[in-house]
Amino acid sequence: GQNIDQPTEMTATEGAIVQINCTYQTSGFNGLFWYQQHAGEAPTFLSYNVLDGLEEKGRFSSFLSRSKGYSYLLLKELQMKDSASYLCAVNTDKLIFGTGTRLQVFP
Amino acid sequence: DSGVTQTPKHLITATGQRVTLRCSPRSGDLSVYWYQQSLDQGLQFLIQYYNGEERAKGNILERFSAQQFPDLHSELNLSSLELGDSALYFCASSVPPGEGDTEAFFGQGTRLTVV
Repeated sequence: GQNIDQPTEMTATEGAIVQINCTYQTSGFNGLFWYQQHAGEAPTFLSYNVLDGLEEKGRFSSFLSRSKGYSYLLLKELQMKDSASYLCAVNTDKLIFGTGTRLQVFP
Repeated sequence: DSGVTQTPKHLITATGQRVTLRCSPRSGDLSVYWYQQSLDQGLQFLIQYYNGEERAKGNILERFSAQQFPDLHSELNLSSLELGDSALYFCASSVPPGEGDTEAFFGQGTRLTVV
C-alpha cells in the first residue's frame, strides 16, 4: 500500500526555524514534492527532491533520504504569511499526497 | 496563475443530481490529475490521465468518472450526488516522469456544495 505520514499541526514564532517531517512507504518512488497550500486555495510548488541530500531555495530547504523513506522541509526566518498547510507528495506512478501539516506562525 | 483552468469555480446542487467539472491543463502538459479535498482534509487522489488514456486510479467512487479529450482537456463527472461529496475538487497537470520537469501545477479548484 501507500502510506505518507506528516504531523497534523505545528506552531512556531515569527523569525524562528521550523522543520516539518514526512515519512513514506510507497510501492515505487520517482521523487518527493513539497507543496504549500493556504486555506481554500490551490497548492503551490515549493521543492522537488529526487536524489538524497539537501536542496536549498531561499528561506526554504528540503531534505531527502531514500533509504530511510524520510524527508523534511525546513523553513527559516518564519514570517506570518508562512502560516499554511505544507503537503508532502510522493511521485510513484501517480502523485500521492500526505494529509498535510498545518503550520501556524505567531508574532 | 498556474496556467491550469478549472470551471466552474463554485457549484451548488441537490442530492441525487449529476455535475461535470472541467479542467484545461497547461499548454504542453499531457498528464491531468484529479483530487478531492474535503473540509480540513488532505488531497485525495482520484484519477490520472495521460494523453487521453487512463494512467492511474485512486479511491474514486463508482459514481464518479472522468475522461481526457483529444485536445487534452479533462472532465470529471459526479453522479447520484450525496452530501458527503461536498468538497474542493482540484485538477493538476504535468509532463509525466522521464520527460523533463514533473512538477504538477494546480488549478484553483471547483468548490462543490451538495444540499
